[in-house]
Amino acid sequence: EVRLVESGGGLVQSGRSLRLSCTTSGFTFGDYAMSWFRQAPGKGLEWVGFVRSRAYGDVTEYAASVRGRFTISRDDSKSIVYLQMNSLKTEDTAVYYCTRDRPGSGRREGYYFDNCGQGTLVTVSS
Amino acid sequence: EIVMTQSPATLSVSPGERATLSCRASQSVSTNLAWYQHKPGRAPKLLVYGASTRATGIPARFSGSGSGTEFTLTISSLQSEDFAVYSCQQYNDWRTFGQGTKVEIK
Repeated sequence: EVRLVESGGGLVQSGRSLRLSCTTSGFTFGDYAMSWFRQAPGKGLEWVGFVRSRAYGDVTEYAASVRGRFTISRDDSKSIVYLQMNSLKTEDTAVYYCTRDRPGSGRREGYYFDNCGQGTLVTVSS
Repeated sequence: EIVMTQSPATLSVSPGERATLSCRASQSVSTNLAWYQHKPGRAPKLLVYGASTRATGIPARFSGSGSGTEFTLTISSLQSEDFAVYSCQQYNDWRTFGQGTKVEIK
């Protein structure tokens, strides 16, 4: 059974840092790209960023709203993906989810997710 | 960026009735289209990928169709657990989501 479990959320002051972890099991972690999404209160799902699989050099991409502040990394030996969040802002308050990504068949790169964790709440106070 | 537009924004349906949700892409995405179910406090759930392939464990009452720019998710006979928000997502060129359709009890 595929499992993704996020941890590390909590209450943090604006400007501070927080690291989220997503511990996975039930699949060959190194074969998959992994994403982080977030959902702010009353809002839709927002893609935060992702890390490609080992075969694609573990290269990362980020949404414009977090680029330069957030960093995604992965430890294939532990089957964990991390989200390091620096310089947090109140608008970063959300439930953060990690997902296992699957590629599309188009000529351009594209992904959907087939598994998602239960999420961890990050609250940034002013 | 490919823009995904869902309609209607809200759909009121009685239990046991059919629900038909639409999703339109601003340009062709072939069949690189997924549907998700969103419930408060729950992880988003993949329902359909490849426009028409049900994900593992998804009941047969959920069916997806379409290609190119027009897509449909049909729930043949709504159960109580199906009242939720549904979103479509294209992955033909990166990934973009529709704004969602809320299926509520009539």
